[in-house]
Amino acid sequence: TQLLEQSPQFLSIQEGENLTVYCNSSSVFSSLQWYRQEPGEGPVLLVTVVTGGEVKKLKRLTFQFGDARKDSSLHITAAQPGDTGLYLCAGERGQGGKLIFGQGTELSVKP
Amino acid sequence: EAGVAQSPRYKIIEKRQSVAFWCNPISGHATLYWYQQILGQGPKLLIQFQNNGVVDDSQLPKDRFSAERLKGVDSTLKIQPAKLEDSAVYLCASSRNSGGTYEQYFGPGTRLTVT
Repeated sequence: TQLLEQSPQFLSIQEGENLTVYCNSSSVFSSLQWYRQEPGEGPVLLVTVVTGGEVKKLKRLTFQFGDARKDSSLHITAAQPGDTGLYLCAGERGQGGKLIFGQGTELSVKP
Repeated sequence: EAGVAQSPRYKIIEKRQSVAFWCNPISGHATLYWYQQILGQGPKLLIQFQNNGVVDDSQLPKDRFSAERLKGVDSTLKIQPAKLEDSAVYLCASSRNSGGTYEQYFGPGTRLTVT
């Protein structure tokens, strides 16, 4: 059973298009983190959202944490080929920052 | 500051052989994690250390996997004997408590292929 469901699993778009990735759960998390992973590398933290309803912007990326702290979304405006990669959401539960990861969204942005 | 270091980067072994992975976390990070990432999936936590003590090893297959962090810094993860389904990338991460949130920093991983 997947505690965190990410959708879509695969996304192939043209440069300049907008996209949204969703991360849903029936469980409450103390925080929600988004990572980006490139082939042959470990995940790199993009953002942490902590408060229900919180919205954070990172250049063309907008992250939102649901009011009930069970779901999150990542919106990319005017995608570029450099945005290509695996996007992972991870919910923090338990002590010491234990993370539960979603299965990831593989994004491909074609020039 | 230096990132999380892992070695080796790649390893190919035959089933029933043993293998060990090494991780050096970011200096000052008390918490260390080992994850298994199977192709096409997100990372799955195997074991979490706080200094040299185990916080969570509920998903570690203890009949074949073991891990230690003897001096609260470096850590090793061992598989003995390996099975075909152990083929995966093994990621090490470290973190420290920052205002109640633990932001994890990952190493590049070790890609294990079991034949």
